[in-house]
Amino acid sequence: DTGVSQDPRHKITKRGQNVTFRCDPISEHNRLYWYRQTLGQGPEFLTYFQNEAQLEKSRLLSDRFSAERPKGSFSTLEIQRTEQGDSAMYLCASSSLAGAGNEQFFGPGTRLTVL
Amino acid sequence: GNSVTQMEGPVTLSEEAFLTINCTYTATGYPSLFWYVQYPGEGLQLLLKATKADDKGSNKGFEATYRKETTSFHLEKGSVQVSDSAVYFCALKNTGNQFYFGTGTSLTVIP
Repeated sequence: DTGVSQDPRHKITKRGQNVTFRCDPISEHNRLYWYRQTLGQGPEFLTYFQNEAQLEKSRLLSDRFSAERPKGSFSTLEIQRTEQGDSAMYLCASSSLAGAGNEQFFGPGTRLTVL
Repeated sequence: GNSVTQMEGPVTLSEEAFLTINCTYTATGYPSLFWYVQYPGEGLQLLLKATKADDKGSNKGFEATYRKETTSFHLEKGSVQVSDSAVYFCALKNTGNQFYFGTGTSLTVIP
């Protein structure tokens, strides 16, 4: 399977703990996105990488959130000192550089539950 | 700013019924418009797209026409099947790299 993969698929943690999620994009895709999706809502943009450079971050992204894409391939999203409000599905997507209407390919998501 | 408004669900239809899911948008400039679908237990998949005014996107019997005059991109299908049961998301992408999604519309098709 050559689609976007995410690990883990599910994470349960206690409030105050740190968590890290991994995303492996489609191999030839330069762009990588992180979204958060809560129940009954559409995906909400968090941040975006082009190759290894983090080019955009949502103003909604708390300082407790950090994302990296060190070699321009896989990416990690870390949440420090988790809060119950962080419980959500975290989605990763990738796309190729070319094309005005370029499609984003989504991974299956990591469901985070903060107790 | 950029935003997408979808009709609220859930929508329940009988097999072979006609489907319309309304989507309107607010954007500066000339965005590209998309419909994504999320089947139970799966990730979001692109259903169709349109990149300029009056374009019609189509796939799997679904269609949507980019209407700049009404800022709309309504999703239609002439005859739905049970296998179309899913959540449908309207989205736009503007000159930046962010996608803006609607809240999603859940569709259930009953035999």
